[in-house]
Amino acid sequence: ETGVTQSPTHLIKTRGQQVTLRCSSQSGHNTVSWYQQALGQGPQFIFQYYREEENGRGNFPPRFSGLQFPNYSSELNVNALELDDSALYLCASSPPMGGQKTQYFGPGTRLLVL
Amino acid sequence: AQKITQTQPGMFVQEKEAVTLDCTYDTSDPSYGLFWYKQPSSGEMIFLIYQGSYDQQNATEGRYSLNFQKARKSANLVISASQLGDSAMYFCAMREAASTGANSKLTFGKGITLSVRP
Repeated sequence: ETGVTQSPTHLIKTRGQQVTLRCSSQSGHNTVSWYQQALGQGPQFIFQYYREEENGRGNFPPRFSGLQFPNYSSELNVNALELDDSALYLCASSPPMGGQKTQYFGPGTRLLVL
Repeated sequence: AQKITQTQPGMFVQEKEAVTLDCTYDTSDPSYGLFWYKQPSSGEMIFLIYQGSYDQQNATEGRYSLNFQKARKSANLVISASQLGDSAMYFCAMREAASTGANSKLTFGKGITLSVRP
């Protein structure tokens, strides 16, 4: 069984640029959530995708957007990058309805904005 | 108010000893779930253990157990027989009833650093 994978592992961008991060969910999982983890902090919920639609959003501006594809993989897009967007971006997938719906995380993408 | 509070700045434990990592939470929902994750320096969040608010018994997973005290709103993680590989950040997280179903976001605490000494 393949776990959650993310690409790229590291990324350096400059202020004002745009970035796309990718996530492949664990086999059988149809829900994908994205989190931002600033240095020394716990992860903060950005948004969640279920059946290719955004289903819940945290306190992040509209320049953070996403997609989910029919195979349940997902993208996180960030426009007009700011220095404070530098963080570890974590993707998590969870199984269909029922059970404790544990979220299983990928290794993350480390984004540095200069 | 913080929903998940982890106040221990850093913990040290001798190899093979047990250690308790504290977590308190705040919610008005009667139905919620509590999770502990381990984050090594590589960055990946590794699921350790889950406790549901209606579970009658404390959860256990191998060397991990959860000391769930509902009235005190605490969900402390106990790691028995610590190993060098247990050195990492540990996060407590909560999923509330309002975020069940497809929308099941997790709210995390700030984490605790655990260092295991040989």
